[in-house]
Amino acid sequence: ETGVTQTPRHLVMGMTNKKSLKCEQHLGHNAMYWYKQSAKKPLELMFVYNFKEQTENNSVPSRFSPECPNSSHLFLHLHTLQPEDSALYLCASSQETAGATYTQYFGPGTRLTVL
Amino acid sequence: KNQVEQSPQSLIILEGKNCTLQCNYTVSPFSNLRWYKQDTGRGPVSLTIMTFSENTKSNGRYTATLDADTKQSSLHITASQLSDSASYICVVSAHNAGNMLTFGGGTRLMVKP
Repeated sequence: ETGVTQTPRHLVMGMTNKKSLKCEQHLGHNAMYWYKQSAKKPLELMFVYNFKEQTENNSVPSRFSPECPNSSHLFLHLHTLQPEDSALYLCASSQETAGATYTQYFGPGTRLTVL
Repeated sequence: KNQVEQSPQSLIILEGKNCTLQCNYTVSPFSNLRWYKQDTGRGPVSLTIMTFSENTKSNGRYTATLDADTKQSSLHITASQLSDSASYICVVSAHNAGNMLTFGGGTRLMVKP
């Protein structure tokens, strides 16, 4: 395993529900990321946190709300989602964001289905 | 605009055969290029990383090449195994973009017995 865990692994929710995705990394990294992976599309970066501070919000709709209480945990709060938000949501971590040589380690993802 | 294009989109080969996956990029200024393997239902795992000065890097049966002049990379898989069935993703980063990465769409490889 990569040292990055995500829960739940699968989630089905209605458009009016509120749910949260959780990510935890055991690698001592300082940067964490949320990605969206839709079928037949490249990974899309959603949010970046470095030392608990959000450094990137890639024009993500406000129905997705990230939270980073410490360098080891990252949450993605979901509310009033749309069916097109159904995708695999991947969490990743790296030593830091500065310097492109830091490898990102990915979690297994949460498969989200919005009905 | 930074882009990474991969080909083919999908590939089926018989177990024991070799194959080569292609990656073309327009990311600038180039910093490094990674190949990731993503098994079904799992997150991507890094296979190789190459900087501008490196033109080949091996990881077991996986060998990646880089031509920084033509902005092309390839991933060669030797003596394929059933466990090689996965998506292979080419990822390129630029010097001025921190740790922001440009992802290719991936090549879906299926190895059949």
